[in-house]
Amino acid sequence: SQQGEEDPQALSIQEGENATMNCSYKTSINNLQWYRQNSGRGLVHLILIRSNEREKHSGRLRVTLDTSKKSSSLLITASRAADTASYFCAPNSGNTPLVFGKGTRLSVIA
Amino acid sequence: GAVVSQHPSRVICKSGTSVKIECRSLDFQATTMFWYRQFPKKSLMLMATSNEGSKATYEQGVEKDKFLINHASLTLSTLTVTSAHPEDSSFYICSARDRRDSYTEAFFGQGTRLTVV
Repeated sequence: SQQGEEDPQALSIQEGENATMNCSYKTSINNLQWYRQNSGRGLVHLILIRSNEREKHSGRLRVTLDTSKKSSSLLITASRAADTASYFCAPNSGNTPLVFGKGTRLSVIA
Repeated sequence: GAVVSQHPSRVICKSGTSVKIECRSLDFQATTMFWYRQFPKKSLMLMATSNEGSKATYEQGVEKDKFLINHASLTLSTLTVTSAHPEDSSFYICSARDRRDSYTEAFFGQGTRLTVV
């Protein structure tokens, strides 16, 4: 398993603004996944992007993947207070456990 | 979507007692489940991989005699914290993948907040 490293560690924005967080990893992957964790809760899967994809959209979420740079970004457009949470990326190479970094703590201020 | 149910959500126990946490995949079969531990404002730390019908694989530094894992069926894994101490107080989370595809997303339980007094 390999761990992704999210950046920044914390991000505070106004409601309606866009939030961008980044993820870097070290070795080749089959796919990369993004998860959200609200305080005191389990993780919720947001989106999965495969290694042969460069960009993927899901509602207000946009994920990019650059395998040459071993990096990914998650963009949340038109953020809402309910988007306040910690966000984690998980590089996935196969049948191994997902390992998580410190995440990005996003605060959306109304 | 797939659902993983974790129970209990909160438990308070006395030092020296044991606590069992259950993790169930409700609408899919999970050959493998994973147990994590999370300290306040920290990331999830993988504790062990629970394999159906065989022994769990523990991560380095995790005491297997302290954290007993049983995966008796394709839909149920249990974590038992034995002889609990206050330092075992933490947030425990399980996750599972559908056995048909290990490359897809993992589904997480709601977590269990354990407080040892």
